[in-house]
This record gives sequence, structure tokens and C-alpha cells, in this order.
Amino acid sequence: KAGVTQTPRYLIKTRGQQVTLSCSPISGHRSVSWYQQTPGQGLQFLFEYFSETQRNKGNFPGRFSGRQFSNSRSEMNVSTLELGDSALYLCASSLGGANTEAFFGQGTRLTVV
Amino acid sequence: GESVGLHLPTLSVQEGDNSIINCAYSNSASDYFIWYKQESGKGPQFIIDIRSNMDKRQGQRVTVLLNKTVKHLSLQIAATQPGDSAVYFCAEKRNSGYSTLTFGKGTMLLVSP
Repeated sequence: KAGVTQTPRYLIKTRGQQVTLSCSPISGHRSVSWYQQTPGQGLQFLFEYFSETQRNKGNFPGRFSGRQFSNSRSEMNVSTLELGDSALYLCASSLGGANTEAFFGQGTRLTVV
Repeated sequence: GESVGLHLPTLSVQEGDNSIINCAYSNSASDYFIWYKQESGKGPQFIIDIRSNMDKRQGQRVTVLLNKTVKHLSLQIAATQPGDSAVYFCAEKRNSGYSTLTFGKGTMLLVSP
């Protein structure tokens, strides 16, 4: 079965712009989580959506937001981009219960110039 | 390929050696621990997991050891192969029903033929 699909793979944006990233989870998975990966901070949790509801949120400013659709696909949005937002953004999907395996996509590489 | 970490601890081994990668975790409330492998340009890939009520779990060529007394997790890879070269992350999760993972900083494993 198809894995987690993230689009686009690469993005270049300028400071002050906004960006929307997309994630299609594995069929049947209802949980989608987003992570930011940078060389300095490693992998940091952004937020998790389950059945169209945000059920957990990491320690990121309000410029970072997301949503989940009825088909479990998820988008995350970053507004007023800053240079420090340059990172690999990873999406993970899972069935959503405790102790269930999370499957990651290949990520979207965002560069802010 | 993309770099996932510029200042990671690095373990260099020869092909055929056994590798041990260590991880310290901080949250005593975590009850599920996972090891992920991340190759250049890819998202993290699940290797093996262990629940907090266990101290050892074995998979194919991999063993995870959990020492809750000192909050230490290790991944042992037997007969390491060049294809094992990657960055390895430990991650922890609370049994809250959420899918949120807290990742360690990662260790780069380099396997020489």
C-alpha cells in the first residue's frame, strides 16, 4: 500500500511570505503529526491531528498552524516566514491509538531566503 | 543527499562489527520507546520498539535494551553492514493516547566496507 506522501518535496520562499505544505497519510490512518527537523534542534513536534481535530500541540508560535480534512489528509501553514523556519518538515501518520507505529513521509525541504 | 544533522555524535565501525548506539531519555512517564533510522534524503524509518514493562526486545539483527533505573535506551546492531549507515534516533511516547513522539538528538552511524 502507498506510504505517506508529502508535497512539495522542495520549496524556496522569501521572508514574510506564507507557505502551505500537504501530507497524505497511509490509507486508514486517522492520525497525522507534523515535525520540524533542523540541524540545531533536531526533530521537534509541531502538532497532531486526529479525525479532523488538533489533539496535541508543540511549543511553536501561532504562525504555525494546521488542519486535517475528512479524508485524513493534512496541511500545515506557516505565515510571515522567517529565516529560522528553514527546515525539513516531516509528516507522520498512524492509526492513532497508544503505542502504534508512526510512518513518516520523505518530508518537505523549506528554504526561506 | 540532504544532511539531517551537522553536529551529531558519530559512531564509525567496520563492516561485520556489532554496533551499539545509546540514548538517554528524560521523561520517566514515557512508556513506549522507539528507534528510528534516517537515511539521507528520507524520512525516519521505524526499526524496533519496546514498552516500558520490558527490558529487552529483539528483532532481525537488532536488539533494544531499556534501563528505566538510569533512563537509558540502547540499540544493538549485529553484523553491521554498509547499508546500516544512517542517523539513528531514539524517540519516546507517553501512553496518553496521543501519537506525539519526543526525539533524541540522533547518532550518525558510519559503516566502512
